[in-house]
Amino acid sequence: KQEVTQIPAALSVPEGENLVLNCSFTDSAIYNLQWFRQDPGKGLTSLLLIQSSQREQTSGRLNASLDKSSGRSTLYIAASQPGDSATYLCAVEGGGGNKLTFGTGTQLKVEL
Amino acid sequence: DVKVTQSSRYLVKRTGEKVFLECVQDMDHENMFWYRQDPGLGLRLIYFSYDVKMKEKGDIPEGYSVSREKKERFSLILESASTNQTSMYLCASRLRLAGDNEQFFGPGTRLTVL
Repeated sequence: KQEVTQIPAALSVPEGENLVLNCSFTDSAIYNLQWFRQDPGKGLTSLLLIQSSQREQTSGRLNASLDKSSGRSTLYIAASQPGDSATYLCAVEGGGGNKLTFGTGTQLKVEL
Repeated sequence: DVKVTQSSRYLVKRTGEKVFLECVQDMDHENMFWYRQDPGLGLRLIYFSYDVKMKEKGDIPEGYSVSREKKERFSLILESASTNQTSMYLCASRLRLAGDNEQFFGPGTRLTVL
């Protein structure tokens, strides 16, 4: 059974800092990995999707990498802003059933 | 842009009531999903549907049923609501299963069962 872990559970950084969020998964037989953002009390917004054949994807200040063999992904946020404050979730798709398995998220706070 | 809407943002119901949560997507997606999200447990899949009138159980289907009569609409039904079903419910849709297409989420329904 796939398990997805995100460490740390919470992170607080000053504005302008570059930061890395981590995601690890136990079964490397995945189709893709997706990073989401969730604001308090809201739904999830898709940020980046990396297919299993890719090593990284970039969107603006965000860069996500994937190392399938070691079961790890990172989300790099450059020059963080207070508006980046949210919970970031990763989810992997793979194995039987084509279902997404989610991590429990990293709650990010970017302070002025 | 894909838009996924849910009928209510907040809902308060009493134990034993029948509850309907509605979800509509406007991008002709084949696949629709219902999740619940609880602190410390993350998102867990309740049911999904890959076509009209087709459904499959997710990880936690007990106490729930679903209906998909039209492609754009996927309903989650709590036949007899219980307090342990108090949660945030999230609907999602996706063009295809697997591959390079993303899953898009609605804003969520916060359900409280008293």
